[in-house]
Amino acid sequence: DVKVTQSSRYLVKRTGEKVFLECVQDMDHENMFWYRQDPGLGLRLIYFSYDVKMKEKGDIPEGYSVSREKKERFSLILESTSTNQTSMYLCASSRSGAMYGELFFGEGSRLTVL
Amino acid sequence: GESVGLHLPTLSVQEGDNSIINCAYSNSASDYFIWYKQESGKGPQFIIDIRSNMDKRQGQRVTVLLNKTVKHLSLQIAATQPGDSAVYFCAETKGNTGFQKLVFGTGTRLLVSP
Repeated sequence: DVKVTQSSRYLVKRTGEKVFLECVQDMDHENMFWYRQDPGLGLRLIYFSYDVKMKEKGDIPEGYSVSREKKERFSLILESTSTNQTSMYLCASSRSGAMYGELFFGEGSRLTVL
Repeated sequence: GESVGLHLPTLSVQEGDNSIINCAYSNSASDYFIWYKQESGKGPQFIIDIRSNMDKRQGQRVTVLLNKTVKHLSLQIAATQPGDSAVYFCAETKGNTGFQKLVFGTGTRLLVSP
């Protein structure tokens, strides 16, 4: 089975602190994604990557950056957190050529910024 | 664009009833649609997909209907069970670049009572 593992399930940070969310997938997928999920807003795409060292902005990239140094790992970085970044962050992966295919999601990282 | 709201629509059904969850999509150029199920505390899981050249697709206890004329998608769950209680999201592919991103709806909560 595909497994997408997110390093932290729950984090509490203070405004201005740096946050590093890590995601690892074990199925050799080319594509990886970071979404945030907020009540009533659904899932919104922050960044995605279709290859090592490649990244593309999603719909809401402001305030975030990403890193894809290895194929299995995709990291989301919040350099200086703000309260409006309190959210559930979901990582997902899919295989190349399955752009039409299903995404496999991790269990999420719930971030609270005080 | 996506609909935005503060409150998640909720569908309450009795165990054994059939459930119908609806979704309106925005882009008439979208050519692939997916339904995801998200249980509490977990990431979304793929349920079923449909391409725009089809109007109906059946899975195990689930059926997806696509009406391109009115840009409407529905998920039918037969003989709903308590384990079906979750938030359900539709997603559409959108974009005319080589990489097509999935755009998610805001979700519908399904509550199944015994």
